[in-house]
Amino acid sequence: RKEVEQDPGPFNVPEGATVAFNCTYSNSASQSFFWYRQDCRKEPKLLMSVYSSGNEDGRFTAQLNRASQYISLLIRDSKLSDSATYLCVVNQGGKLIFGQGTELSVKP
Amino acid sequence: ETGVTQTPRHLVMGMTNKKSLKCEQHLGHNAMYWYKQSAKKPLELMFVYNFKEQTENNSVPSRFSPECPNSSHLFLHLHTLQPEDSALYLCASSQAGSVRSPLHFGNGTRLTVT
Repeated sequence: RKEVEQDPGPFNVPEGATVAFNCTYSNSASQSFFWYRQDCRKEPKLLMSVYSSGNEDGRFTAQLNRASQYISLLIRDSKLSDSATYLCVVNQGGKLIFGQGTELSVKP
Repeated sequence: ETGVTQTPRHLVMGMTNKKSLKCEQHLGHNAMYWYKQSAKKPLELMFVYNFKEQTENNSVPSRFSPECPNSSHLFLHLHTLQPEDSALYLCASSQAGSVRSPLHFGNGTRLTVT
């Protein structure tokens, strides 16, 4: 089992749609969690840190379920500019482990 | 504006060349990283430095040689590379010891080995 595993994608959605990505992690002692966004041929950029109670930033909502060992990212009212690869990152004992990424394509 | 700067942005080198990638962070972080990202593949961690000391070498071939003279600067020295080493090389920094500290990436060096 991979340490961090994401929905394989790609996700193709129309503008205005709501889309959700899941990410599972294998180490129950994982300490912190992040979502990054990576545009084609560019560096990953931090989208959100994920807090235990769940957190929201505009159209983006992140949730953590420690019992089931997964985190999720919900994007509401998708925009064309949301098209990117979304990376789940888990801090395991000070080591940041990346998922393989989920590609999102928002179409007009 | 990113607090992590990498140079050069693009590099083309032959298999017999020697070149170096440079990274500088202005965020006051104490940990720096090199990642490799090949086309359509996930990020691969190469090296980690905490407080200038190398704490991780992820089975990277010796043709890649990192150097961390201080906690703000990181280099990756390249020699006798292979075409399969062509990739995007990303530098990142974070605050070691803080579990909530995310990685901050530079904009990368796109390397092509001919």
